[in-house]
Amino acid sequence: EPEVTQTPSHQVTQMGQEVILRCVPISNHLYFYWYRQILGQKVEFLVSFYNNEISEKSEIFDDQFSVERPDGSNFTLKIRSTKLEDSAMYFCASTGQGGYEQYFGPGTRLTVT
Amino acid sequence: DQQVKQNSPSLSVQEGRISILNCDYTNSMFDYFLWYKKYPAEGPTFLISISSIKDKNEDGRFTVFLNKSAKHLSLHIVPSQPGDSAVYFCAASEYLAGSNYKLTFGKGTLLTVNP
Repeated sequence: EPEVTQTPSHQVTQMGQEVILRCVPISNHLYFYWYRQILGQKVEFLVSFYNNEISEKSEIFDDQFSVERPDGSNFTLKIRSTKLEDSAMYFCASTGQGGYEQYFGPGTRLTVT
Repeated sequence: DQQVKQNSPSLSVQEGRISILNCDYTNSMFDYFLWYKKYPAEGPTFLISISSIKDKNEDGRFTVFLNKSAKHLSLHIVPSQPGDSAVYFCAASEYLAGSNYKLTFGKGTLLTVNP
């Protein structure tokens, strides 16, 4: 069964460093998303991406964040200068044409020290 | 911002009995409601959904009920099995432009099914 994959599973970085989280969405899906879950809190929407551009972003998704689909398979989330409060699980999700059921990857745990 | 609320952080049931997980929402613009199951160290796994124009959807042991006037939905699992033990998230889908949807999640309910 096709699935969303994410790498790395765990990333530790120092405050102020740049990180890139990677995702491979399900191959025929067209809509891509990033969500995050801070420990003990809700899963929160960050950004949606379609047709090589951002379609919607939350207030969390400030200028420190960017997304890219550098090739036909990968979808990346970059945090330019990490802060302690960026420590969270980051989930990538994808969905097909006309679909509202989003399929999630296993997540990347980001720890900023 | 509590547009989707799951008021029970945990629920414990006996194997074979019914599990009922509840969810309330406030935003009338939500057009689909979804339940996700999550095991530790894994991503949310889609379980079942319901359109806002329906009041019931059933898939095997899982049934979701929607009461639109009360802005309330529930997930029924019957019979419950120990493998159902996980965190269950209620999520509501809001249409964005271009066939794109954004999910708003509740905080989750930890279900424990005891053998």
